[in-house]
Amino acid sequence: DQQVKQNSPSLSVQEGRISILNCDYTNSMFDYFLWYKKYPAEGPTFLISISSIKDKNEDGRFTVFLNKSAKHLSLHIVPSQPGDSAVYFCAASGRAGGTSYGKLTFGQGTILTVHP
Amino acid sequence: DGGITQSPKYLFRKEGQNVTLSCEQNLNHDAMYWYRQDPGQGLRLIYYSQIVNDFQKGDIAEGYSVSREKKESFPLTVTSAQKNPTAFYLCASSIGTGPLYEQYFGPGTRLTVT
Repeated sequence: DQQVKQNSPSLSVQEGRISILNCDYTNSMFDYFLWYKKYPAEGPTFLISISSIKDKNEDGRFTVFLNKSAKHLSLHIVPSQPGDSAVYFCAASGRAGGTSYGKLTFGQGTILTVHP
Repeated sequence: DGGITQSPKYLFRKEGQNVTLSCEQNLNHDAMYWYRQDPGQGLRLIYYSQIVNDFQKGDIAEGYSVSREKKESFPLTVTSAQKNPTAFYLCASSIGTGPLYEQYFGPGTRLTVT
């Protein structure tokens, strides 16, 4: 049962353009969402997060949008740079299953390639 | 330099053998986690520990065991009971548990069992 889904395994974008990575979730108990970035042979690193009380959070070139009614979030990278080429994971947390621990549930990841 | 180390980077074992993956952190974090990543899948939580001498099962704990005798160390043993042990294993730590605490990940160990 995949509660967090990233339906696009890969995305290719030209340098300077916008990259939009999408993520859908099914569990309405999720109330905190995160994006992680992973380079080959390295562990994921935290990128940006958003609480369910907001619909947008911005940090430099990175903006995350949350549409609670559609159970959808997206990460926008503007402008995209070749160094942004990596795997991007979205993750969700909340009182899913009644736990207050805040366990992260990850999506499958999207490989972003930014061409010079 | 603070961070999380996992060793070795690549590990090969014969089927039926137990194997222990190392995870050490010098970030003074209370919480530590073990995840497994398989091709085309996200990270799945195996075990986590909120404090020394305490740990809880994650989503896929069967066939794995952990210990947390020291704050900085959280080794994972993949036992022969784990049906599909070949995977990429990631260790993480955070100051506390809960989504507001950023999880810092190690570089991972790729385990191949034949």
